[in-house]
Amino acid sequence: SQQGEEDPQALSIQEGENATMNCSYKTSINNLQWYRQNSGRGLVHLILIRSNEREKHSGRLRVTLDTSKKSSSLLITASRAADTASYFCATAAVNTGFQKLVFGTGTRLLVSP
Amino acid sequence: GAVVSQHPSWVICKSGTSVKIECRSLDFQATTMFWYRQFPKQSLMLMATSNEGSKATYEQGVEKDKFLINHASLTLSTLTVTSAHPEDSSFYICSARKGADTIYFGEGSWLTVV
Repeated sequence: SQQGEEDPQALSIQEGENATMNCSYKTSINNLQWYRQNSGRGLVHLILIRSNEREKHSGRLRVTLDTSKKSSSLLITASRAADTASYFCATAAVNTGFQKLVFGTGTRLLVSP
Repeated sequence: GAVVSQHPSWVICKSGTSVKIECRSLDFQATTMFWYRQFPKQSLMLMATSNEGSKATYEQGVEKDKFLINHASLTLSTLTVTSAHPEDSSFYICSARKGADTIYFGEGSWLTVV
């Protein structure tokens, strides 16, 4: 399977704290994307980082990418209860002609008020 | 607003019947759409790539005769679960590619087979 791994599987924090999620993948990629999913709902695209980029910011989100280690991290700063959701990384792998998006196992984040 | 629409959002069907789920790109043409399946508390698993005007490409282990995919137009792909059984109950999500990098996801469809 080319599915990536994410850790932790579950993360529980208090409002105001930072949340860090990590993603590892297996093949060479064109880009890596992070998505958010509220329970039982569709996916919301958060951020895309290309293989030639090392860090990207969007609001309270910070994403890093280390292609040598085939890993990425998503940092949510000053978390809020509304950030409670599952977070997935997804990669467009070179062995699919960068056509198919393959998802990691996901991290379930719980932010308590 | 949503750029990819899925319908229905919820469907309950009897075991042995077939059910169709539609995925529409609302304001762009999508030559490629993707269908995913997600079990509770698990990740999305790619089932197949739907190509407009040609046969879908199925992932290993996905039965093409059970999960029929039709991409008859540039804005519509359909997934038909044939002879559904309770183990087919799941959350099905489609996505559509717009341009080189941008992929939009539908809101998903909950299928319950009783």
